Amino acid sequence: QKEVEQNSGPLSVPEGAIASLNCTYSDRGSQSFFWYRQYSGKSPELIMFIYSNGDKEDGRFTAQLNKASQYVSLLIRDSQPSDSATYLCAVITTGFQKLVFGTGTRLLVSP
Amino acid sequence: GAVVSQHPSRVICKSGTSVKIECRSLDFQATTMFWYRQFPKQSLMLMATSNEGSKATYEQGVEKDKFLINHASLTLSTLTVTSAHPEDSSFYICSAPSPGTSAYEQYFGPGTRLTVT
Repeated sequence: QKEVEQNSGPLSVPEGAIASLNCTYSDRGSQSFFWYRQYSGKSPELIMFIYSNGDKEDGRFTAQLNKASQYVSLLIRDSQPSDSATYLCAVITTGFQKLVFGTGTRLLVSP
Repeated sequence: GAVVSQHPSRVICKSGTSVKIECRSLDFQATTMFWYRQFPKQSLMLMATSNEGSKATYEQGVEKDKFLINHASLTLSTLTVTSAHPEDSSFYICSAPSPGTSAYEQYFGPGTRLTVT
């Protein structure tokens, strides 16, 4: 089982819709969770981080964390074509205290 | 936000040669920097943690004699790929923790695309 799992996609949504990106992790003791956006050929850009169960909102982005079910999600409201990118979920593992990335979900927002 | 730069952005080298990649924190000091490698359509894999004033910590499976890391100052870490082979061709990215935050709120440099011919 991979430490951090994401559906590779692509996830296709029309402009203005809500995009929902999901991530599951295997280390039950993980405490810190991050979402990064990566455009093709570019390096990742930190979008949001979440440490506590529940929702955290920042503009059009909402991160949701459910530690009991070991999943974290990212909602993007009013999706724009410029949101088309690969979204990487990352988790701090308890044992080795390092940032472990999922393989990413490719999001395509069509005009 | 915190700015991290890398140089060069692209490099092509011949098999057997060495290549040095620089990572700089431009507007803050970073006692720790991280080096990642990303192959096409794969995720980022941590190679090593660079520590200012001490030896780097390498991840399992990463050859420390092949990937030399030097954290010479609080704003500069370098990765030297020695005796490069075509399989070392990859996207190398460094990151540094944003100052005043947890060590894992990392800001990434723009990356260096290495092609070994």
